[in-house]
Amino acid sequence: EVQLVESGGGLAQPGRSLRLSCAASGFTFDDYAMHWVRQSPGKGLEWVSGISWNSGTRGYADSVKGRFTISRDNAKNSLYLQMNSLRAEDTALYYCAKDIGPGYSTGHFDYWGQGTLVTVSS
Amino acid sequence: QSVLTQPPSASGTPGQRVTISCSGSSSNIGSNTVNWYQQLPGTAPKLLIYNNNQRPSGVPDRFSGSKSGTSASLAISGLQSEDEADYYCATWDDSLNGSWVFGGGTKVTVL
Repeated sequence: EVQLVESGGGLAQPGRSLRLSCAASGFTFDDYAMHWVRQSPGKGLEWVSGISWNSGTRGYADSVKGRFTISRDNAKNSLYLQMNSLRAEDTALYYCAKDIGPGYSTGHFDYWGQGTLVTVSS
Repeated sequence: QSVLTQPPSASGTPGQRVTISCSGSSSNIGSNTVNWYQQLPGTAPKLLIYNNNQRPSGVPDRFSGSKSGTSASLAISGLQSEDEADYYCATWDDSLNGSWVFGGGTKVTVL
C-alpha cells in the first residue's frame, strides 16, 4: 500500500524558514517524480514544486521560486521542501504527491499524503 | 485567479447527471492532457480521471472525462450523495518554464 506521510509543518514568523519532509513507502520511490501541492485555508489547490526521479530536474511555481527548494533522498525514501523567507501567503496545508512517471512534467499525481499545515504569522 | 477556469459550484438531485467545465488555453489544455481530482470534505485530493478520459482502478464508471480544444469537462452520471465534494481539473502549462496548473475547483452539492 502506497503511503505518503508529511511532517515538519507548524507556526513560523514571516521571514523565517521551515523544512517539510515526506516519508514514502509501499512503492519503489526512486522510480517516480514527486511533488508538493498546497491548499490555503478554504481555497483551491496550487502546485508548488516538482522533482524528477533522480533529482535531475526540478520545477517551481513562480510564487515560491527563489525562496523554496525541493530535494529528495532516494536512499531514505524521502522528499523535502526547504521553505525560506516565508510570507503570510504561504500559509497552507502542504501535500506531498507521487507522480506516475519519472519526470515531473508529463504525468499526473496518483497518490497524495494527508498534508502538513504551515502557518506564517507574527 | 486560477489559470484554468471552473464554475465555483454545481448541483443536482440523486440520479441526475452533472457536468463540470474546465477552460484553459493553447499553452495548457490545448497541448496537454487533463486530469481531474476529487476532494471529499476534510480529506486529501484523490485522482479521479487522468489523460482526459481514463479512470484509475476503483473509480466508478459514473465518472467520465472529455477534452476538446482548450476545454475539458467532467461528467457525473447517476449522481449519488457520496459524490458531494470539490472537483479540480489540472494540466501542465508549457508557458515560460512550465508548471502544473489547477482550476479553482467546483463544489458539487447533491440536493
